[in-house]
Amino acid sequence: QKEVEQNSGPLSVPEGAIASLNCTYSDRGSQSFFWYRQYSGKSPELIMFIYSNGDKEDGRFTAQLNKASQYVSLLIRDSQPSDSATYLCAVNMEVTGGGNKLTFGTGTQLKVEL
Amino acid sequence: EADIYQTPRYLVIGTGKKITLECSQTMGHDKMYWYQQDPGMELHLIHYSYGVNSTEKGDLSSESTVSRIRTEHFPLTLESARPSHTSQYLCASSSYSQEYHGYTFGSGTRLTVV
Repeated sequence: QKEVEQNSGPLSVPEGAIASLNCTYSDRGSQSFFWYRQYSGKSPELIMFIYSNGDKEDGRFTAQLNKASQYVSLLIRDSQPSDSATYLCAVNMEVTGGGNKLTFGTGTQLKVEL
Repeated sequence: EADIYQTPRYLVIGTGKKITLECSQTMGHDKMYWYQQDPGMELHLIHYSYGVNSTEKGDLSSESTVSRIRTEHFPLTLESARPSHTSQYLCASSSYSQEYHGYTFGSGTRLTVV
């Protein structure tokens, strides 16, 4: 089982619809969770982070966290063609010997169609 | 405006050459990372550092080496480049702040070994 799992997609949604991206993680001790957006050929860009159970909203983006179910999701409202990208889920995990590092999922490709 | 800089942006080099990929950040971050990513594929951590004179190998075995002599600088070196090293190399950094462990990525170096 991978430490961070995402459906690779592609997820296709019509313009204006809500896109829902999902991620599960294996480490129950993880405390912080991140969503990155990566356009083709570009580097990842942080768009949301969440620490507490529940919802966190920022503009058209809402991150949802359920630690009991080890599940984090990203909702994109009023999807635009410019939202078409790969979305990476990342989980902050402790490493042996102390410290921590982000573990990334493989990413979900989102396509917003006109 | 980027606070983490990678040079060169693109590099095409012959087999057997020694190359150094540069990464510098101006945010005073203690932690720095190198990731390798093939087109359309997931990120693989190859090296990381928690501070000056600290370097560790990542999850993916790599023939490259790194050094961390100054906080702001984390170069990656390949002593003898091979076609199998062709990939995108992404540098990232983060702070020790307990409230935020997200990474900031540089724009990447796309390496082609011919």
